Amino acid sequence: GAVVSQHPSRVICKSGTSVKIECRSLDFQATTMFWYRQFPKQSLMLMATSNEGSKATYEQGVEKDKFLINHASLTLSTLTVASAHPEDSSFYICSAPDVTGENEKLFFGSGTQLSVL
Amino acid sequence: GDSVTQMEGPVTLSEEAFLTINCTYTATGYPSLFWYVQYPGEGLQLLLKATKADDKGSNKGFEATYRKETTSFHLEKGSVQVSDSAVYFCAPPRGTGFQKLVFGTGTRLLVSP
Repeated sequence: GAVVSQHPSRVICKSGTSVKIECRSLDFQATTMFWYRQFPKQSLMLMATSNEGSKATYEQGVEKDKFLINHASLTLSTLTVASAHPEDSSFYICSAPDVTGENEKLFFGSGTQLSVL
Repeated sequence: GDSVTQMEGPVTLSEEAFLTINCTYTATGYPSLFWYVQYPGEGLQLLLKATKADDKGSNKGFEATYRKETTSFHLEKGSVQVSDSAVYFCAPPRGTGFQKLVFGTGTRLLVSP
């Protein structure tokens, strides 16, 4: 069945570095993908909607200059955490809807645990 | 805004025990309600859904009934297995579609033999 692949699964970096997270739809095309993050003991919160060929739509309170989203193809969206700081340490997860079949489905990546030292 | 409240975990049970994970939400008028599950090392996947009030979703022995009057969508299973150990998320949609979701905190279930 359809799968969404997210890499890396875990990253540890120094403060001030940029981190790129990739989200790929493996056997379907996704014009839209979604990025969530989850802080410990909190809910998964929608950060932004990634739109193929156009600018991402960010949720209120999410810094677009900090969380750079690029959706350059129909199967790939990337989230770059620019100049990461310890407060950016979180669990990030992407999702992509497959709307090509009769039954529309939503697929998730396995998530990325970011730790900024 | 919309929010979801799930019972905190971890929930630790012995195999064949009865499971209930409570979920309540603040908004009314959801077209559908969902439970997602994340097994270790995997992405979230849809466990079950209910598409209207009083509708019961079921899958793999799990059930949840869309209770509009109590704004609840509690997850139940009569006899859990070790393989059910995972994190469970109650997730109503944002708006009328199914693509954007409002998540609870997730409840980790640990089932021991």
